[in-house]
Amino acid sequence: GQSLEQPSEVTAVEGAIVQINCTYQTSGFYGLSWYQQHDGGAPTFLSYNALDGLEETGRFSSFLSRSDSYGYLLLQELQMKDSASYFCAVRSPGNTGKLIFGQGTTLQVKP
Amino acid sequence: SAVISQKPSRDICQRGTSLTIQCQVDSQVTMMFWYRQQPGQSLTLIATANQGSEATYESGFVIDKFPISRPNLTFSTLTVSNMSPEDSSIYLCSVEDGGGEPVGYGYTFGSGTRLTVV
Repeated sequence: GQSLEQPSEVTAVEGAIVQINCTYQTSGFYGLSWYQQHDGGAPTFLSYNALDGLEETGRFSSFLSRSDSYGYLLLQELQMKDSASYFCAVRSPGNTGKLIFGQGTTLQVKP
Repeated sequence: SAVISQKPSRDICQRGTSLTIQCQVDSQVTMMFWYRQQPGQSLTLIATANQGSEATYESGFVIDKFPISRPNLTFSTLTVSNMSPEDSSIYLCSVEDGGGEPVGYGYTFGSGTRLTVV
């Protein structure tokens, strides 16, 4: 089966940098994804790592180490609007297409 | 990426009744996924809806409680049957962008249906 662990809450101030970690256990690996969900909204896709290393998309970056079954989402120049829940997710092996989510990290950005 | 229209956005229902949630996608997709998100929790997959075949349900979810229809490649419905207060949740449909290739494409979600059972 698949399981993912991430911190439940993170707090940071505006303008700072925050890192949200995710460790996973999977029977097969098809990449690690990150999703953002604002309160009352739908999850939106942020980034995806299939290979080791850093992927950068604007203020957000995502890192993967397959040997450590570990990844993180890095948010730079934090803004108040970044306050949201962040989920890491892995695709279930095989041809099922299922996406399995971590428990989510609630990020609170303070002024 | 795909655009999904999900209806209704919210509803308050009496226990014992049923609610059908609809999702319309602006492109043809092979698989559609239905998730439940209880307050303050993560997303839990209910089932995968495939066109032309029975839906595939995850452990803990059964067809009698959550019947699913998938009449074509752009539409699916999820019914929450014989509702109880424990069914109060957000229900979301989702599709995989990128033609099903797991090579860096994300999944798009509907806007969700916030269900309250009283």
